[in-house]
Formats: sequence, C-alpha cells, structure tokens
Amino acid sequence: GAVVSQHPSRVICKSGTSVKIECRSLDFQATTMFWYRQFPKQSLMLMATSNEGSKATYEQGVEKDKFLINHASLTLSTLTVTSAHPEDSSFYICSARDVGGEQFFGPGTRLTVL
Amino acid sequence: QKEVEQNSGPLSVPEGAIASLNCTYSDRGSQSFFWYRQYSGKSPELIMFIYSNGDKEDGRFTAQLNKASQYVSLLIRDSQPSDSATYLCAVPFHSGGYQKVTFGTGTKLQVIP
Repeated sequence: GAVVSQHPSRVICKSGTSVKIECRSLDFQATTMFWYRQFPKQSLMLMATSNEGSKATYEQGVEKDKFLINHASLTLSTLTVTSAHPEDSSFYICSARDVGGEQFFGPGTRLTVL
Repeated sequence: QKEVEQNSGPLSVPEGAIASLNCTYSDRGSQSFFWYRQYSGKSPELIMFIYSNGDKEDGRFTAQLNKASQYVSLLIRDSQPSDSATYLCAVPFHSGGYQKVTFGTGTKLQVIP
C-alpha cells in the first residue's frame, strides 16, 4: 500500500513556542490530505482538510489562526501549531487520499507542550 | 453532525474465540464503512471495508452490514493475542465538496492467551 510519513514522530516544546509537523505522501500524489487529532482514550477528530494550492478547510471549533496548514505540493502538507499550550498536547495524525479515494494514515506525531 | 457509536470496551475474549465488535451510525445515507485497527501509540491501519448489505470475509475477519438497522460489525475468528488493539469504525460522508471520515470512539479488544 501507499506510504505516508510524518516528521517529527515526537516533539516536546515549551509553552508559547510554535511547532511544525510535516506530512508527506512518499509514493503517490495526494491532492487532499487530512489532519486529525487524538486525545488519550478518544477517537480521531478531524481538524482540517488540506488541498494542494488552496486554503485549508477547518472543522467547527478548530482555530485556523492557531493551526496553520500549508499544502505546498502534491506530496507535502504541513501543520504548524502556533503558540502551543499544554492543552494542545495530543497525537496529531495526517492522512492522504490517493486518486482511488483510499486514505492512508501517517504514523502520527506526539506533541507534548510543557 | 454525523455520529458513529461504538462500545468502548474493553472486550475480553480468550485466545481462539470469536471477537464480535459492533458499530452503529446515524446517517441513513451512508454507503461505505471501514474498520481500522489501532495499536496503542500508533496510527490506525485499514483492515476491512464494506459497501453492500450482508457479509464480507477476508481471512479471519468478517464485516457484516445491515443498512436497515444502521449497524456494521466486525467478527474476528480464532482471535490471537496480536489482535489486541482498539478497533475503530469509520464512516465517510461528503461535506463542503470533500469526502471526510467520521470515526467512532473505538472498541478496545483484549485477547487473553
């Protein structure tokens, strides 16, 4: 199956700093990528839908100025958590959809904000 | 809001038994359904999808869909300790021109050796 990578896999930062997470589709082009967040013992919650060359679409309750998404190419989307706070600590997962419509998930990035 | 409901568990079954996982969904118009397996600290991985009413079998896994009752289930035969994970039911829907996915909260399965 197709491979999606995320970098970094784990990051610890101080409160108030910004963190960038990269999501790459390694062997296919993804016009659409999705960013999810998963808190402990909870399910994945869709944060935003990212499309190459256009603005991301954010789900209700997700602050677009806090979670900046850039889909620079057909294989790369980035999520920047600006001015991170402890409540932003979570497992962030991206997925990329191929031309057949199947979603492939990245391995996730665990963010811990101190 | 599209809703997908699962019993959080944990569901404990002995090794070799059949594990039965259930999921109900709110959108009667939903056409396709996915089951993902998620190990602790890892991303979900797709194990089954089903579009039509009835059963779909793939190895030890069987997905069952009943659109009239709006539920989909996953049966795991000959359960192994390595099957211990959280199983997420996912239902795609269209919103704002995109196909998105709503995930259930997942059912934690524990297979006891």
